[in-house]
Amino acid sequence: IQMTQSPSSMSASMGDRVTITCRASQDIGTYLVWFQQKPGKAPECLIYAASRLRSEVPSRFSGSGSGTDFTLTISSLQPEDSATYFCQEYVSYPLSFGGGTKVEIK
Amino acid sequence: EVRLLESGGALVQPGGSLRLSCEASGFIFNNYAMNWVRQAPGKGLEWVATIDSTGAGTYYADSAKGRFTISRDNSQNMLYVQLNSLRAEDTARYFCVKVDWFDNKGYFDYWGQGTLVTVSS
Repeated sequence: IQMTQSPSSMSASMGDRVTITCRASQDIGTYLVWFQQKPGKAPECLIYAASRLRSEVPSRFSGSGSGTDFTLTISSLQPEDSATYFCQEYVSYPLSFGGGTKVEIK
Repeated sequence: EVRLLESGGALVQPGGSLRLSCEASGFIFNNYAMNWVRQAPGKGLEWVATIDSTGAGTYYADSAKGRFTISRDNSQNMLYVQLNSLRAEDTARYFCVKVDWFDNKGYFDYWGQGTLVTVSS
């Protein structure tokens, strides 16, 4: 399964609504997870099962979608959200990641 | 608190071998599948291998098949990966990753900080 993320990078202002998309090459149901990775750090799970927010993750993050098209939304961008975001499917082996979206603050 | 602490990364020559270790704590280790995921410098994430909770089931990326072996010691809360016949393209930070379960599928919930493997002459 191929996972395609867009855009590969973006720049937005504090308070902006940010949307990142992830497309799977075949139907993966809702078996999709979103990670946030800051420079020099390990990835952290934000959302699993396409739309379920991990308990420690701020509510400005949300996920949606099913089948082949998925979205990660940051409702009001904060400085600490500057990071690279990856999607990953976990429906079957081999497991696949998207190429990543680098989000910068203007 | 879940903690995953990798070790064993080093500079190794092409064709060489290395064994990476991951010490797990803060959860019941033998209840969860575990993974290795790698990230080449400045690049994206690549799944390497998965081992089920008992160690009986293992799964590998094509790039790892025949060269890498994932294993675990549930009595010691340890995860391992043996890396053989290393190539320059195996240069990466290797992360130990825990799985959690939802809707009959396992997703990656916690990651260690990683250990760096550099393959170069």
